[in-house]
Formats: sequence, C-alpha cells, structure tokens
Amino acid sequence: DAGVTQSPTHLIKTRGQQVTLRCSPKSGHDTVSWYQQALGQGPQFIFQYYEEEERQRGNFPDRFSGHQFPNYSSELNVNALLLGDSALYLCASSQLGQGGQAETQYFGPGTRLLVL
Amino acid sequence: AQTVTQSQPEMSVQEAETVTLSCTYDTSESDYYLFWYKQPPSRQMILVIRQEAYKQQNATENRFSVNFQKAAKSFSLKISDSQLGDAAMYFCAYRGVYGGATNKLIFGTGTLLAVQP
Repeated sequence: DAGVTQSPTHLIKTRGQQVTLRCSPKSGHDTVSWYQQALGQGPQFIFQYYEEEERQRGNFPDRFSGHQFPNYSSELNVNALLLGDSALYLCASSQLGQGGQAETQYFGPGTRLLVL
Repeated sequence: AQTVTQSQPEMSVQEAETVTLSCTYDTSESDYYLFWYKQPPSRQMILVIRQEAYKQQNATENRFSVNFQKAAKSFSLKISDSQLGDAAMYFCAYRGVYGGATNKLIFGTGTLLAVQP
C-alpha cells in the first residue's frame, strides 16, 4: 500500500520565480492538506482540498494557491517567491469522515524548497 | 484560537530507559483530538499515537503511551525501553472537531529527542 508521495524532493529557485509542488495521497484517501515547515519550527497549515475545492485556508497570502485533481492528487503553487518561502513543504492525506471531519492525517516525505 | 506548547526543546535518554515528553494546549472546545508525530532526520512525519478527548482511557501503542489530563490540558508522551531508532523530533498536535477546526492540525514547536547508547 503506497503511502503519501511528493515530488520533487528538493528544489532551488530564485526570488520572484514560481514553483509547483506535487502530492499523491495514500490509497483510499480523498483529502489533501498542505503545510509549511520552516527550519526548527512545527508545520503551519496552508490549506486543505477535498473534491477539488479548497475547504479551508490558513494564514498564507494569495501567492500560495493549490489544486486538486479528480484522482485526488494535488499541487501547491507559490508565485513571486520570497526568501522567506524557503522551507520544507509537507503534504498530508486523510479520509473525510462522517460529519465532514477529516480523519487522521498521514504525511509525505516533503519537498525542501530553497529560495536564493 | 487553539495553541499547542512544547516547553522542552531538547531531551536526552539512555537506551532502554524511559523518557516523557511534555505538551500542553489551550482550547475552549470540549471535544478534540490530540496527536504525537515523530519526524526523524529523514524528515518524514510519522504518526506515533492519537487520543480522542472524549475517551478517558490513555492511548497506548506498544512502547508509546500518553498521559492525557483533560482538565489540566496536558498531553505527555512516554517512551518506554527507548531505542536508538526513537531519536527524532517529536511534535504534539491538536485537531478540533467543530467547523473549520476539523481541517487542520495545530502543531507545537517540537522536542528533539536524543537517545544515548
């Protein structure tokens, strides 16, 4: 049973560029969440996707956008990169439970983004 | 807003000994979930244990157990018979049950656990 996968593993960009990160959820999961983890910090919630719609968004600017495809995979796009966007970007998948609750989230290995 | 606090940036334990990692949280909700995740140097975040707030019984997973004190809003992780592979960053996380709080995990800043041979 494949777990959550993410690509690429590492990425180097320069300020002002745009980047796209990809995530494939664990088999049977329909919900994808994205987190940003700065060095030495806990992950911070960016947004969550279900049925190709953004369900909720954390405190991140509009430069951060996402998409979910019919096969439940997801992309995170960041425009106009800043030095402060350098971080580990984690994708987590889960199964939406009864009452609209997203059940336990399982994480991928992350994409390390460095902005120069 | 809910918050999660881990007051121990680093901890160390001897192999085969027991260590307890602390976590406190703040919420006005009565029902929620708490988690401990482990992030080894390879960086993949791995679920260690999960606790539902409505359950009085403390969760246990093999060598890992929690001490959940709802009134005190405390959720500590005990690792028994520590092994070298337990060395990692450990994160405590909270997830709400109602409304938008169900969608996201709120993490603490983590505790870096070193295991000495």
